[in-house]
Amino acid sequence: ILNVEQSPQSLHVQEGDSTNFTCSFPSSNFYALHWYRWETAKSPEALFVMTLNGDEKKKGRISATLNTKEGYSYLYIKGSQPEDSATYLCALANQGGKLIFGQGTELSVKP
Amino acid sequence: DTAVSQTPKYLVTQMGNDKSIKCEQNLGHDTMYWYKQDSKKFLKIMFSYNNKELIINETVPNRFSPKSPDKAHLNLHINSLELGDSAVYFCASSPSSGRTHTQYFGPGTRLTVL
Repeated sequence: ILNVEQSPQSLHVQEGDSTNFTCSFPSSNFYALHWYRWETAKSPEALFVMTLNGDEKKKGRISATLNTKEGYSYLYIKGSQPEDSATYLCALANQGGKLIFGQGTELSVKP
Repeated sequence: DTAVSQTPKYLVTQMGNDKSIKCEQNLGHDTMYWYKQDSKKFLKIMFSYNNKELIINETVPNRFSPKSPDKAHLNLHINSLELGDSAVYFCASSPSSGRTHTQYFGPGTRLTVL
């Protein structure tokens, strides 16, 4: 059974702080890792899809790295803004395209 | 303009009833999914259809039956509803069933069984 773990479960930061959180997954038989951003009362929205060891992806102030050999991915937010407050989900894709989601990291950015 | 839509948004019903949740996508995608957000807030896959064909069928009670009349629609029918079925159900779609394809989620349907 594939297990995807995210830490921390929740995070409170001040506006302007930079922050990062972790997604851990089994390193064997890796196919792809997805990051999603989920605002309260909205649908999860895709941020990144990562496939190669050493991958780095960036979208504005948000970036992600991938280490498939040790089984982790980091999501970084530079200069957090209140609008970054959301739950950030990672999901491991199996060979058949099924996504196994972590529980998410709930980020709260205070003005 | 809504890409993936679900109806209804809220559904309150009595135990034992049969209910359906509808999902439609206007993205031209081939693959659609149903997820259940459990009590610990995990999103867990229930079913997936690719071009109207069932490709993922997780360990879900037989009371849950997905139906895909065409590739733009994937409905979820639930028979003999139980208290434990209360959850938020999300529909999603992707261009195909590949592991690198982004999934686009609907707004969710909050089901409450009394």
